[in-house]
Amino acid sequence: DAKTTQPTSMDCAEGRAANLPCNHSTISGNEYVYWYRQIHSQGPQYIIHGLKNNETNEMASLIITEDRKSSTLILPHATLRDTAVYYCIVRRTGANNLFFGTGTRLTVIP
Amino acid sequence: DTGVSQDPRHKITKRGQNVTFRCDPISEHNRLYWYRQTLGQGPEFLTYFQNEAQLEKSRLLSDRFSAERPKGSFSTLEIQRTEQGDSAMYLCASSLQDNYGYTFGSGTRLTVV
Repeated sequence: DAKTTQPTSMDCAEGRAANLPCNHSTISGNEYVYWYRQIHSQGPQYIIHGLKNNETNEMASLIITEDRKSSTLILPHATLRDTAVYYCIVRRTGANNLFFGTGTRLTVIP
Repeated sequence: DTGVSQDPRHKITKRGQNVTFRCDPISEHNRLYWYRQTLGQGPEFLTYFQNEAQLEKSRLLSDRFSAERPKGSFSTLEIQRTEQGDSAMYLCASSLQDNYGYTFGSGTRLTVV
């Protein structure tokens, strides 16, 4: 599976949109982009995933560039409870091993 | 609560002892995964079950580790002759189908002293 590159940490003001970038320049055509987050002392939480189209759910939006080499997770109105480590993962269909890496530590500031 | 349950939440054991953890996945999920997470790192894959069959194991799963899912429902992860390097959070996850997101439990934190 392709590897991803994420910034180590980011800050975001409460109420503002949090935009978390991810580079996956070696992504293959059958690989999906997944986002999970992990709040301190809890297990990871699935957020969203997509193949090539932009996706939106009740938690977030996922914007994937046309060449699929990068993506952005958008939390439209960040709250203090969104403070967590966010993992961008590339996974091919049928793969059972999610490679989490070290993610981006997002801190939402009051 | 219909989430993934793990028991115990915390376990402290002496080096050399055996420990066993339990995971109860979401009932309709046929896929079950075990991951391990050490401090400051992301979770690392250990093994995968589809129903009762263990279909994939990581190189991280040494011969001291064994996992079972006898009836395709709950799963156990046993570590024999624990070492200090086994200290970690052990996470269980389940999913319904391929390309679905995983639902993780809160994990079992193991400390080997």
